[in-house]
Amino acid sequence: GAGVSQSPSNKVTEKGKDVELRCDPISGHTALYWYRQSLGQGLEFLIYFQGNSAPDKSGLPSDRFSAERTGGSVSTLTIQRTQQEDSAVYLCASSLMMAGGTETQYFGPGTRLLVL
Amino acid sequence: AQSVTQPDIHITVSEGASLELRCNYSYGATPYLFWYVQSPGQGLQLLLKYFSGDTLVQGIKGFEAEFKRSQSSFNLRKPSVHWSDAAEYFCAVALSGASKIIFGSGTRLSIRP
Repeated sequence: GAGVSQSPSNKVTEKGKDVELRCDPISGHTALYWYRQSLGQGLEFLIYFQGNSAPDKSGLPSDRFSAERTGGSVSTLTIQRTQQEDSAVYLCASSLMMAGGTETQYFGPGTRLLVL
Repeated sequence: AQSVTQPDIHITVSEGASLELRCNYSYGATPYLFWYVQSPGQGLQLLLKYFSGDTLVQGIKGFEAEFKRSQSSFNLRKPSVHWSDAAEYFCAVALSGASKIIFGSGTRLSIRP
């Protein structure tokens, strides 16, 4: 079946503008994750959704970042008042089980965000 | 603090040569261990994972990794690399039931013709 998809694939925005990044997980996957990958860096955990439980937001770098997951499927990551340091590749992943990080995560291709 | 270290930022090996990518972790207990590969323009793909049992784990594309508790290491190996193996490789760890996977900073592999 289809893998994790993300849109847009690339986004260029001006400093101070808001952006929304979308993730469509694999159908039936109950867990969804957002990561940020800055140039030359590893992946930085941002937020985790598991079924109907409250999301783990402990990785969000500031209150300008928020995410929601509607209907247990599609997720949107919103960055308000973007800053140049927000420029990065934002990766989404989903996994089948509700056991959290111990299950295999399947990654989308990412959204490359450039803040001018 | 919990951490994952990949000490080699960039490695170049000749096609057909053997490969070992290093990964060390710092955790209070034995974590779950993963290796992912990220090819240019591609998403991350799981190569292999270790949860328990046999400490030598076989993965896709001819890769294997060995968990060594005494050294807190989970090094990735391949006996003979192919040009298509050129990519970024990430080691990652998670605690049982934890929602987060902690990723290392990655090792970029280049293949010399």
